[in-house]
Amino acid sequence: EVQLLESGGGLVQPGGSLRLSCSASGFTFSSYAMSWVRQGPGKRLEWVSHIIGSGGRTHYADSVKGRFTISRDNSKNTLYLHMSNLTAEDTAVYYCAGGDYYDASGYYVGNWFDPWGPGTLVTVSS
Amino acid sequence: EIVLTQSPATLSLSPGERATLSCRASQSVGRYLAWYQQKSGQAPRLLIYDASKRATGIPVRFSGSGSETDFTLTISSLEPEDFAVYYCQQRYNWPPYTFGQGTKLEIK
Repeated sequence: EVQLLESGGGLVQPGGSLRLSCSASGFTFSSYAMSWVRQGPGKRLEWVSHIIGSGGRTHYADSVKGRFTISRDNSKNTLYLHMSNLTAEDTAVYYCAGGDYYDASGYYVGNWFDPWGPGTLVTVSS
Repeated sequence: EIVLTQSPATLSLSPGERATLSCRASQSVGRYLAWYQQKSGQAPRLLIYDASKRATGIPVRFSGSGSETDFTLTISSLEPEDFAVYYCQQRYNWPPYTFGQGTKLEIK
């Protein structure tokens, strides 16, 4: 069964740092791009960052560029998001999501988000 | 950045009725549009990709249509488990990937 499970969320003070992890199972993790998507309270989904399967290329939303770093350890089937200089605007549930979608025939169809983990809550507050 | 605008914000219908949800893009996204369902307290789930293709395991009552800037998600006959929030998302011009603000489908 394909599964993603985030961890590392919690309460952090403004200006602080936090590292989120996403453990993957049930698929060849190293072959898949991955993304982090967040959802603030009462807000729409917001894409945060993307990394290709090899880890050799990354992309960031302007709102987190220079503060967040996405990385992966394919030997551990784990995706990371290191967040620094956090503000109240970063308060959200953070989801990790698969970033390469294959249809039922195994044909690659593009960068759609599937599957998703259950999410981990990050609260930035003093 | 491509902005996606969904309408209506809330749709109140009864089980068995037909639901029609709209997503409009600020510029053409071709057919690079997806729909996700998010139930309360859960992660989103991919329903439709490339505007009209059902994701694996998605019931046939869900269908998508449209291209360029105007897209529609149709649920032909609502089941109780379909009441949720629905988001559209584009990947035509990224980064960033962008999402609509969501349509809440509630029981009338």
